[in-house]
Amino acid sequence: GENVEQHPSTLSVQEGDSAVIKCTYSDSASNYFPWYKQELGKRPQLIIDIRSNVGEKKDQRIAVTLNKTAKHFSLHITETQPEDSAVYFCAAQGSQGNLIFGKGTKLSVKP
Amino acid sequence: DGGITQSPKYLFRKEGQNVTLSCEQNLNHDAMYWYRQDPGQGLRLIYYSQIVNDFQKGDIAEGYSVSREKKESFPLTVTSAQKNPTAFYLCASSKRGSETQYFGPGTRLLVL
Repeated sequence: GENVEQHPSTLSVQEGDSAVIKCTYSDSASNYFPWYKQELGKRPQLIIDIRSNVGEKKDQRIAVTLNKTAKHFSLHITETQPEDSAVYFCAAQGSQGNLIFGKGTKLSVKP
Repeated sequence: DGGITQSPKYLFRKEGQNVTLSCEQNLNHDAMYWYRQDPGQGLRLIYYSQIVNDFQKGDIAEGYSVSREKKESFPLTVTSAQKNPTAFYLCASSKRGSETQYFGPGTRLLVL
C-alpha cells in the first residue's frame, strides 16, 4: 500500500545549527508534498509544501527539496531557534487525493 | 485554519458507549477529513468526504462512522465497536482543487 517513511524519529541540535529531516514515499504518482509542524497538544500547522514540478522551495529559514526519481524529499531548517522545537510531519498525496503522513520527527533545539 | 472548530476539547467515553465528535468549518471548503493520532505515530486517516452526502473509508475506518449532511459539518461517531479509542482526533478540510489541508484544534478522547 501507499506509505511514507520519515527519518529520524528524534533530532537534537544546538541553537544556530541546521536540521534536516528526510522522507521517502512509495507512490510514484504522488505530486504534492506538505510539511507540518505540531507543537505539544496543538493542531498541525502547514509550514511549507512542494509540488512535483519543482525540485526546491525556500521560505526564509525553511527549505524543502524533492527528488522524484528517488522518491524522497527533505526539510531543511537553518539557523535553528528554540521555538523551532516541535514534531514535524511530512506527507505525500495519495491516489484518492488524501494525505499519507510519516510518523513524525521530534526536533529539540537546545539553547 | 482558524475557521475550523472541533468540540469538545476533551471527551470521556464509558465502555460500550457511542460518542460523537464535532467538526465545523466556515471556510467554504468542499473536502473534510478525520484523522487519528496516537503517541509516536503519524496521522492515520479514518474517513474523508469530498462532497456533501458522500464519504469514503480511510485506512482505519472500523469502529467509526460519519455523516456529511451539510457542507460545513462532518461529525465523527466513535462506536462501541472501537475497542481502543483513546487518541487525539483531528479534523481537516481543503477547498476544491487544492491539496492543502488545514486542521482543527483536535479532540482528545479518553476512556473511563
